[in-house]
Amino acid sequence: DADVTQTPRNRITKTGKRIMLECSQTKGHDRMYWYRQDPGLGLQLIYYSFDVKDINKGEISDGYSVSRQAQAKFSLSLESAIPNQTALYFCATSEGGGAIGTQYFGPGTRLLVL
Amino acid sequence: RKEVEQDPGPFNVPEGATVAFNCTYSNSASQSFFWYRQDCRKEPKLLMSVYSSGNEDGRFTAQLNRASQYISLLIRDSKLSDSATYLCVVKSGGSYIPTFGRGTSLIVHP
Repeated sequence: DADVTQTPRNRITKTGKRIMLECSQTKGHDRMYWYRQDPGLGLQLIYYSFDVKDINKGEISDGYSVSRQAQAKFSLSLESAIPNQTALYFCATSEGGGAIGTQYFGPGTRLLVL
Repeated sequence: RKEVEQDPGPFNVPEGATVAFNCTYSNSASQSFFWYRQDCRKEPKLLMSVYSSGNEDGRFTAQLNRASQYISLLIRDSKLSDSATYLCVVKSGGSYIPTFGRGTSLIVHP
């Protein structure tokens, strides 16, 4: 079984709809991240969380919100989806402690906003 | 200037060739460096960390040049399966958040 899972894997929605992307991990890591990837733009950090009570904005948090329901779960919400939020979304985890180590990514959620 | 810059490529090489990519970073306080590999429509996966003294893992060699602020990845004896995008990742001192480059595309052809 995969260590980091994301649901759904693909989603088509309409402008203005609220949607939630979910991420679960079995690695026991404290740190979790949400990224989006657009062609030619690389990975952009949306939000990150270093433990259950910690939520931090990344470089492109506008239009998104997150919830860290448990150590193993980190959800990303688009309150009112817009077409330029069409992208590939990745959840990632890493161990806690000092310097960041390896990040482990989920398989991604492909989102299309019409 | 972007924090982490990579030539997007694509680098188009024949099987068996040696190919090298560079990645430059702007923050001289950067402390940790990594290369990730991303196959088309898949998640990034760690290829190797980059150590100050340089390190090798089979056909892959990573090096760090702090004076010129770049890291490199050398792939020897390229295989068709090496075709992917290679992402440079840098973590600066004082930050727990890594910065990803946009990636370099490698295409290995028969």
